[in-house]
Parts: sequence; C-alpha cells; structure tokens
Amino acid sequence: DGGITQSPKYLFRKEGQNVTLSCEQNLNHDAMYWYRQDPGQGLRLIYYSQIVNDFQKGDIAEGYSVSREKKESFPLTVTSAQKNPTAFYLCASTRGGPNSPLHFGNGTRLTVT
Amino acid sequence: AQTVTQSQPEMSVQEAETVTLSCTYDTSESDYYLFWYKQPPSRQMILVIRQEAYKQQNATENRFSVNFQKAAKSFSLKISDSQLGDAAMYFCAYRRVLSNFGNEKLTFGTGTRLTIIP
Repeated sequence: DGGITQSPKYLFRKEGQNVTLSCEQNLNHDAMYWYRQDPGQGLRLIYYSQIVNDFQKGDIAEGYSVSREKKESFPLTVTSAQKNPTAFYLCASTRGGPNSPLHFGNGTRLTVT
Repeated sequence: AQTVTQSQPEMSVQEAETVTLSCTYDTSESDYYLFWYKQPPSRQMILVIRQEAYKQQNATENRFSVNFQKAAKSFSLKISDSQLGDAAMYFCAYRRVLSNFGNEKLTFGTGTRLTIIP
C-alpha cells in the first residue's frame, strides 16, 4: 500500500544535539511538507518542497533544515538553534494541483530535555 | 498573508445529534480551496471534505457537509447523526491557487476539539 512513513514514532534527545526526523513516501508525489503541531496552535509550516533539489521556508523555519535529494525522501533536521523543539512533527505530501489534499504520515513526537 | 480562524477550541454534542464547527478565513484571493481535516486520538490526519471557492454548491460527504459563504469568508462543517468515532480534533485549512497551478502550502486553523457524549 502506498503511503507516508515517518520514523521513529517517539524520539528523545538531549538539549544541544541535532536530530533528524525521517519522512519517506511511495506515492510518487512531487510536493512534500513538514508541519509542527503544538497544543492550541494548530499546524504550522516549517519547510516545503515542490520538486527534488528545491525547497522553501515556511512560517517557522528558524532552527530547522531540510534536504530533498530524492523524490521519495524529505528529512527534517532539528538543530540546536531551535529554541523550543519539543513538539509533534507531521510530514505530508501531495500529488499536485490546488485541489489535491495533503496525505499525512503518522507523525513523530520529539522530546528534548 | 492568509489566516484561518477557528473560534471554538472545544465543542461537544450528544450522539446522533448534529453539530456545526465554525471556520473563517482572511484572503484577498478569488480562487482557492478549503479543506476540513480530522485528527482522532491516533493523531493521523484524515481528509474529511474539500470545497472549491468558485463552486456555489456546498460540498457533501455522507454525514459531513459544509456551509460555504464566500462573501463572508466562512466555511463551517456540519456533522449529522454524530457518532462516537467522530470524536477528534477538526482542522480547517486554506490553499490559494497559484497561477502555475503549483503545489501551494496549506494554512491551518488552530483546531476544534469535538467530544461526542454517549
């Protein structure tokens, strides 16, 4: 079955360490997105990529970095510069066109202590 | 910048009754799409329904329907015959149409937590 896989489901890190969240899709979608979810704030866009080797900053990109070397993969690195990294992170992809919905992964809960 | 507002942080409804969740948005665009997503306790995001701004007819998907008022920039979700499985966070989202029909981002509201009372 096609879908989006985020791993791991739970991730724990010490403050000051960089950490990379994995996102893989086998839907052959061109566009991929990273959102952050915090209680009471909905989903906020971190980065998105419309094609391979290209990506754009979203609304809260500071302290994060991404790469898009393959169509299937869009890893997100949470750097030590991110002041409040503990959150639930959702990866999504879409086939194309404005009416195409986002397909989401199951998310990664990152806890930094 | 486009903004999406969900003014009801929490709602509750008796099982089998009808409930309406509110959503308003701010945009200067004339062509865009609106979506409702559901996030149950599993935290998986599930598309509930979508609406194209240039279509007058309100979208319907089984027990879910929308009331789209373009002039008022309002996009409410009505859930009929509420079921226990409808308990979830519901997010309203907006996407504008790019001139090249590219993959524009979705902007989400802050969500409404819906509780179903047995």
